[in-house]
Amino acid sequence: AQSVSQHNHHVILSEAASLELGCNYSYGGTVNLFWYVQYPGQHLQLLLKYFSGDPLVKGIKGFEAEFIKSKFSFNLRKPSVQWSDTAEYFCAPNPAVYKYIFGTGTRLKVLA
Amino acid sequence: DGGITQSPKYLFRKEGQNVTLSCEQNLNHDAMYWYRQDPGQGLRLIYYSQIVNDFQKGDIAEGYSVSREKKESFPLTVTSAQKNPTAFYLCASSILWTGNTGELFFGEGSRLTVL
Repeated sequence: AQSVSQHNHHVILSEAASLELGCNYSYGGTVNLFWYVQYPGQHLQLLLKYFSGDPLVKGIKGFEAEFIKSKFSFNLRKPSVQWSDTAEYFCAPNPAVYKYIFGTGTRLKVLA
Repeated sequence: DGGITQSPKYLFRKEGQNVTLSCEQNLNHDAMYWYRQDPGQGLRLIYYSQIVNDFQKGDIAEGYSVSREKKESFPLTVTSAQKNPTAFYLCASSILWTGNTGELFFGEGSRLTVL
């Protein structure tokens, strides 16, 4: 069965710490990859996406993600987090048209 | 401003009652979706629609119904047959790309509580 795994459910960091959130999916073939973010009290929005080309993609607010096809992974990174990055982050591989599979989400809390 | 409007934001319902959640978009998107968000379970697809008067079941369609009579509207009815309806419901839309899919745009959600 197609599935996606986000390894960290809750992460607490101090400001300026580095962030890496893991995302692994369990199917092969062509897949488009997304990270979405939900800030407190706001709607879900796109953070970054990968369709093809350079496996290191950059998104909004200094986030980036690296697609490693051999590991079926699409980890999210940020070198230095800010208090405003406190949010819930969802990995969403998209193996087929209209078929998004969302991970269970990672709640990030950044301490000022 | 373009976007997706969901209403109501909060809704309380007694057991045995049907309730309809509204979703309207002015983005001129073809595809619309309903997701259910539960703590620790991510987003699960209930129904989606690619064009007017057509819709498909998602992974957890039992106890739900939808309609797509207009391009901009995709209401979701939570019926009394849904065994665990208390949840946060998200509506989304997307542009249709040939051979590819694009970004999902989400509404702010509707929180349904069954008393």
